[in-house]
Amino acid sequence: GENVEQHPSTLSVQEGDSAVIKCTYSDSASNYFPWYKQELGKRPQLIIDIRSNVGEKKDQRIAVTLNKTAKHFSLHITETQPEDSAVYFCAANPTGANNLFFGTGTRLTVIP
Amino acid sequence: DSGVTQTPKHLITATGQRVTLRCSPRSGDLSVYWYQQSLDQGLQFLIQYYNGEERAKGNILERFSAQQFPDLHSELNLSSLELGDSALYFCASSTSGTRGETQYFGPGTRLLVL
Repeated sequence: GENVEQHPSTLSVQEGDSAVIKCTYSDSASNYFPWYKQELGKRPQLIIDIRSNVGEKKDQRIAVTLNKTAKHFSLHITETQPEDSAVYFCAANPTGANNLFFGTGTRLTVIP
Repeated sequence: DSGVTQTPKHLITATGQRVTLRCSPRSGDLSVYWYQQSLDQGLQFLIQYYNGEERAKGNILERFSAQQFPDLHSELNLSSLELGDSALYFCASSTSGTRGETQYFGPGTRLLVL
């Protein structure tokens, strides 16, 4: 099955700086890569997703890049704010499966 | 608010007991997914239903079972509970349950087995 690895497990940045979280996947036929933000005790919320037919997608301060050859994708958050503090999960949707395989999460702390 | 609802929010029970978790998908969504989130295992897929039929199975224990009813709500049944079953259980829904479809998560049920 699909294996999604996520790094780093924790990340602290100063407010206003950028944060980058990286994920790799094993199934080269995976074609859908969502990112979820989860605040403590809350549900995972979709913040951005990318499909394998594009290399980059942007939504205001958030962007995701995908490198299909290297089988990795990254989340970029610019001008970080304290409310960006949460756990971020990447996921992949592999061949023949409708469910998502999640990375192990990155706890982002934005220091005011 | 994703539109997915789950009840109860919290559940405390004892080892050996049986519990039922309930999920109602977003209006118009036909597919429901169940995920388990524990501290050491992250978010793990358990099972998927589409329009009342089981569509995919993940790391679901034999002690666990689920179903989706004609009104599309789903129930996850956990029996012979063990301490290690303590976790957050999330339900997600999507329109048709096909690959690459956005999944919207409910607020979760926190299960504590004592």
